[in-house]
Amino acid sequence: LAKTTQPISMDSYEGQEVNITCSHNNIATNDYITWYQQFPSQGPRFIIQGYKTKVTNEVASLFIPADRKSSTLSLPRVSLSDTAVYYCLVAPGYSSASKIIFGSGTRLSIRP
Amino acid sequence: DSGVTQTPKHLITATGQRVTLRCSPRSGDLSVYWYQQSLDQGLQFLIQYYNGEERAKGNILERFSAQQFPDLHSELNLSSLELGDSALYFCASTPAGGYNEQFFGPGTRLTVL
Repeated sequence: LAKTTQPISMDSYEGQEVNITCSHNNIATNDYITWYQQFPSQGPRFIIQGYKTKVTNEVASLFIPADRKSSTLSLPRVSLSDTAVYYCLVAPGYSSASKIIFGSGTRLSIRP
Repeated sequence: DSGVTQTPKHLITATGQRVTLRCSPRSGDLSVYWYQQSLDQGLQFLIQYYNGEERAKGNILERFSAQQFPDLHSELNLSSLELGDSALYFCASTPAGGYNEQFFGPGTRLTVL
């Protein structure tokens, strides 16, 4: 599976747009990019998934350049409740995986 | 609420003991995944079951085992417990074998004293 690299932590303020970038240089042709959010002592929650270009849903946008070697999760107008750990995963879509790697994630802290 | 349930919520036991964690997937989901998350660590994939059969294996110790029953609930058995096994154990489910959008349960916090 493709290895991912994310910043360990980020800080921002309420109302700002936050962009978290994930590097995945050895992404494979059949790999999808998926982002999860995790609050302390809770299970991760799926945020968004994409393959290429841009994907948008009610909570976030995912930008994937043409070479797919990186991706950016964009959270518009963050609030205190967006303080969480964000994980980027890269792996094949609908197939079993021998290893599923969440990595250390990015710890996002939002300040008033 | 993801629809995935896990019991118990908390478990405190002693070294050398054996415990069983239980997971009920979302209604209709065939795949169940188990993860371990130690303090301030990322999630470590342990094992996946699909419709009763083992589908994928991650960093699961030999002291740990799992199974998925005909009603699709799953149990994770941890034996000869060590202090380092203290962690949050999460279960997740997906409708089919694909894993990308997993629905996670609330977790079981295991403390080994």
